Amino acid sequence: LAKTTQPISMDSYEGQEVNITCSHNNIATNDYITWYQQFPSQGPRFIIQGYKTKVTNEVASLFIPADRKSSTLSLPRVSLSDTAVYYCLVGDGGEGYQKVTFGTGTKLQVIP
Amino acid sequence: NAGVTQTPKFQVLKTGQSMTLQCAQDMNHNSMYWYRQDPGMGLRLIYYSASEGTTDKGEVPNGYNVSRLNKREFSLRLESAAPSQTSVYFCASERTGESTEAFFGQGTRLTVV
Repeated sequence: LAKTTQPISMDSYEGQEVNITCSHNNIATNDYITWYQQFPSQGPRFIIQGYKTKVTNEVASLFIPADRKSSTLSLPRVSLSDTAVYYCLVGDGGEGYQKVTFGTGTKLQVIP
Repeated sequence: NAGVTQTPKFQVLKTGQSMTLQCAQDMNHNSMYWYRQDPGMGLRLIYYSASEGTTDKGEVPNGYNVSRLNKREFSLRLESAAPSQTSVYFCASERTGESTEAFFGQGTRLTVV
């Protein structure tokens, strides 16, 4: 299983762009990179998934360099409601989440 | 569209008691999962079911049993609860296709005293 390393916590002011980087040095060829968001007392929620280069949706962007050994989740212009824990997951989408490990995530605190 | 529904939301058990956590999804997904999350920790996989009629152990299966009753329902049973099983339990189902996405329930907060 590919292990991921991400910062334990980050602080950001409202309106700023936040970039959370995840390191996954032993990512396998078939592995996808997925990010989840979790608010207190709720289950995690899917944010974005990618394999290489850049993926963008209405919530975030995911940047993946050519060697795929790291990835960066970018949240544009964060608000207080973006305060949450963000998990970086690496695994084979074809085999499902039984091959995926949730680490401790990055606790993002947005400051007014 | 309810998504993934877990019952109960809260439960207090005495050591040695048994109980079943219920989970149902209405998205016609094949795969379903049970996780536990201890305070300040990430989620750890207890059991999963890749399809109706199949179940497999995850990272922390000891002390638990599961039943995939049909495609919709996946239950988790604690036969003899222990204080170490105090945790928040999440059920999830998985959608595959353009992206592989897990949909989580709201969780069951279990306290064993």
